[in-house]
Amino acid sequence: DAGVIQSPRHEVTEMGQEVTLRCKPISGHDYLFWYRQTMMRGLELLIYFNNNVPIDDSGMPEDRFSAKMPNASFSTLKIQPSEPRDSAVYFCASSLDPTDTEAFFGQGTRLTVV
Amino acid sequence: AQTVTQSQPEMSVQEAETVTLSCTYDTSENNYYLFWYKQPPSRQMILVIRQEAYKQQNATENRFSVNFQKAAKSFSLKISDSQLGDTAMYFCAFMMGPGGGADGLTFGKGTHLIIQP
Repeated sequence: DAGVIQSPRHEVTEMGQEVTLRCKPISGHDYLFWYRQTMMRGLELLIYFNNNVPIDDSGMPEDRFSAKMPNASFSTLKIQPSEPRDSAVYFCASSLDPTDTEAFFGQGTRLTVV
Repeated sequence: AQTVTQSQPEMSVQEAETVTLSCTYDTSENNYYLFWYKQPPSRQMILVIRQEAYKQQNATENRFSVNFQKAAKSFSLKISDSQLGDTAMYFCAFMMGPGGGADGLTFGKGTHLIIQP
């Protein structure tokens, strides 16, 4: 397996635009996580899914953020409208069962909102 | 809510030396997991080592070992015979055990480790 695949690697957008980040988890993994990494706040869990169902979205900063997992092999994180303070690295991770196995991270998407 | 604290923003040691990175955490849970992740300049998050709270024996992975002190809520990482490739950000992370109600990782702010030649 190629691992967790995120696209794009880098995204630069203007304030107010819609941004969609994509993630393909490792095949067979039941859990999918979205994290955000900033200098100020470090790594934060935004939301996670189990079997395509959102379980905990308490880390989503505000209504401008939304995440979906329409099937077992694809998830999106959307920001609409984007703001400069959303600039960060967004990681997707997947695991079989987080209490038994390790979570595998994608390479991350570096988002810059200007 | 759980918190993870890494009190050393940056450390620098000579190649081949041993270095210890500190981590403390706060939780009221009894069953949980602790991790150390490495993030090199490539940005990839790589699991270094994992410890189950119910295990008294400290985890080891080759040159990497932990000192897990459950009562003190301390989880330090020791890197022996450090190598240039160990240069990276190191993150301590916490996850609640089964039935704990949350399956994601709570991370510390990280320690930037620099191995000097």
